[in-house]
Amino acid sequence: EAQVTQNPRYLITVTGKKLTVTCSQNMNHEYMSWYRQDPGLGLRQIYYSMNVEVTDKGDVPEGYKVSRKEKRNFPLILESPSPNQTSLYFCASSPSGVGTGELFFGEGSRLTVL
Amino acid sequence: AQSVTQPDIHITVSEGASLELRCNYSYGATPYLFWYVQSPGQGLQLLLKYFSGDTLVQGIKGFEAEFKRSQSSFNLRKPSVHWSDAAEYFCAVGAARGGADGLTFGKGTHLIIQP
Repeated sequence: EAQVTQNPRYLITVTGKKLTVTCSQNMNHEYMSWYRQDPGLGLRQIYYSMNVEVTDKGDVPEGYKVSRKEKRNFPLILESPSPNQTSLYFCASSPSGVGTGELFFGEGSRLTVL
Repeated sequence: AQSVTQPDIHITVSEGASLELRCNYSYGATPYLFWYVQSPGQGLQLLLKYFSGDTLVQGIKGFEAEFKRSQSSFNLRKPSVHWSDAAEYFCAVGAARGGADGLTFGKGTHLIIQP
């Protein structure tokens, strides 16, 4: 089954404790992206990647890192989480540049930073 | 910069009634337009998209949307809603050049279905 898989789905952590949210897609998509969803703000892009070893900042990259060592994986790293990073995070992939292609979303990872 | 406005935060519709969700966009060139649906606890799923051609596009689950360039709108419609349509709906605009820019999403419209 074609899918985007995120882990963990739910996580509660404390300020400053490094964490990684994994994202994997099995559709051989070149494009991958991370969004955060906050009430009243909709979805905002954090980082995206056009292909392996190619990443770039989205609209709200502060406090996050990403890597794209393999085509299928695009982990989101929070080196020192803070409470304002409490949010619902979505990973998405697309077969082409997102302007032309459909985005396929994971089910989301709800992160709470205390 | 591109932007999307969904004027209605919440909409309540009776089951079986018709539905129209509004979306206005701002983009300097020809936009690519999308509607996504997010069911509770789920990720977003594409309902339909407009790239070019016929301005009335059909999507999944009986939804359609009409692109009106003169009004910068891309409203979503359904003739008869079902209780399972209760969800969050997002309009989005993408760069027509097909570049790496992410989609810009509206803030969403929460659809409530009354029995």
